[in-house]
Amino acid sequence: DGGITQSPKYLFRKEGQNVTLSCEQNLNHDAMYWYRQDPGQGLRLIYYSQIVNDFQKGDIAEGYSVSREKKESFPLTVTSAQKNPTAFYLCASSPETGFMSYEQYFGPGTRLTVT
Amino acid sequence: DQQVKQNSPSLSVQEGRISILNCDYTNSMFDYFLWYKKYPAEGPTFLISISSIKDKNEDGRFTVFLNKSAKHLSLHIVPSQPGDSAVYFCAASAGGTSYGKLTFGQGTILTVHP
Repeated sequence: DGGITQSPKYLFRKEGQNVTLSCEQNLNHDAMYWYRQDPGQGLRLIYYSQIVNDFQKGDIAEGYSVSREKKESFPLTVTSAQKNPTAFYLCASSPETGFMSYEQYFGPGTRLTVT
Repeated sequence: DQQVKQNSPSLSVQEGRISILNCDYTNSMFDYFLWYKKYPAEGPTFLISISSIKDKNEDGRFTVFLNKSAKHLSLHIVPSQPGDSAVYFCAASAGGTSYGKLTFGQGTILTVHP
């Protein structure tokens, strides 16, 4: 089955530690995205990548970093510089070209709790 | 600056009746609009979309209406079913350098009572 996997589903870290969230897709999509969701808020874009070895900052990139070494993988690192890291993190992908590229397919999400 | 707004945090509807979820936007460059449905602790799933060249798009029980002059779109669910209970997000995208990027509203929690 084609889809997007995020692991783990729940993650706990101590303040001051960096943590990397995994995102893998086997949909052969070119573009991948990272969002965070906070209670009562919509999804806010952290980083996105339209092609391997290239990525751009979204609306709230501060305190985060990404890499895109393979088409299938787009890991997100939440660094100790992120002031409010506790949130629900969602990874998505979409075909880069064509009309359908607007429709993004989401993974199940990772809930990160930092104490 | 919230470019996509869903002003109703929640909506409660009786089973079988119509659910109407609303969304307003401010950016006139948006040319494609989508609705996503999300259950707790899961990722959103795509529901229906509409291009700015249309004013209506239907898919089964779901219809999206777009009023470009008012910068307003709405999602109608008829008839509503208990399984429709979820958070609904509207999202918008502009072309050009923003190609493929989505801006989401805050979401509306829909509860359909049996």
